[in-house]
Amino acid sequence: GDSVTQMEGPVTLSEEAFLTINCTYTATGYPSLFWYVQYPGEGLQLLLKATKADDKGSNKGFEATYRKETTSFHLEKGSVQVSDSAVYFCALSDEAGSYQLTFGKGTKLSVIP
Amino acid sequence: NAGVTQTPKFQVLKTGQSMTLQCAQDMNHNSMYWYRQDPGMGLRLIYYSASEGTTDKGEVPNGYNVSRLNKREFSLRLESAAPSQTSVYFCASNGQGKYEQYFGPGTRLTVT
Repeated sequence: GDSVTQMEGPVTLSEEAFLTINCTYTATGYPSLFWYVQYPGEGLQLLLKATKADDKGSNKGFEATYRKETTSFHLEKGSVQVSDSAVYFCALSDEAGSYQLTFGKGTKLSVIP
Repeated sequence: NAGVTQTPKFQVLKTGQSMTLQCAQDMNHNSMYWYRQDPGMGLRLIYYSASEGTTDKGEVPNGYNVSRLNKREFSLRLESAAPSQTSVYFCASNGQGKYEQYFGPGTRLTVT
């Protein structure tokens, strides 16, 4: 079945550092890919998405490119802020028509001043 | 719009007690989902409802039941709570033909 693997956390960075959170997936067909963010004490929010190969999703300074050849969708940000401290989840869609998502286990990011 | 709402926010149960977690969405979405979130496990799907009147099991349905009361509401019931059901529960929904899911704020449940 479909699966998502993302880098284990936690990740601790200093403010203004470069962020990469790796995500690779296994799926049949051509899923859509997502990054969700969960701030402390809240539900998940969609951060960005890409629906086909070579698409780049971007939002709030975060970017991720859908790489079919490496089955990857790595999340990057050039300069993180304390307010980016959260748990980040990579997810892929279910192409079977049920519109379900398969989530990775999440990566906790802490940004220190 | 309130989006997806969940009640209660927090709950403590004793082993064997029952309770129902409530979820409602005001976005006219067809599909609704219940997940549980446990440390190191990510989100795991308990049950989902692709449309009003239908429900299906997800990855971890044992010990739970659901009801899709109408298009807006999707409840999750624990008939006899167990400590293994201590978790944070999230409800989510998405619209027809859309993969993006919208999440509620969660219910933190502790079973002692």
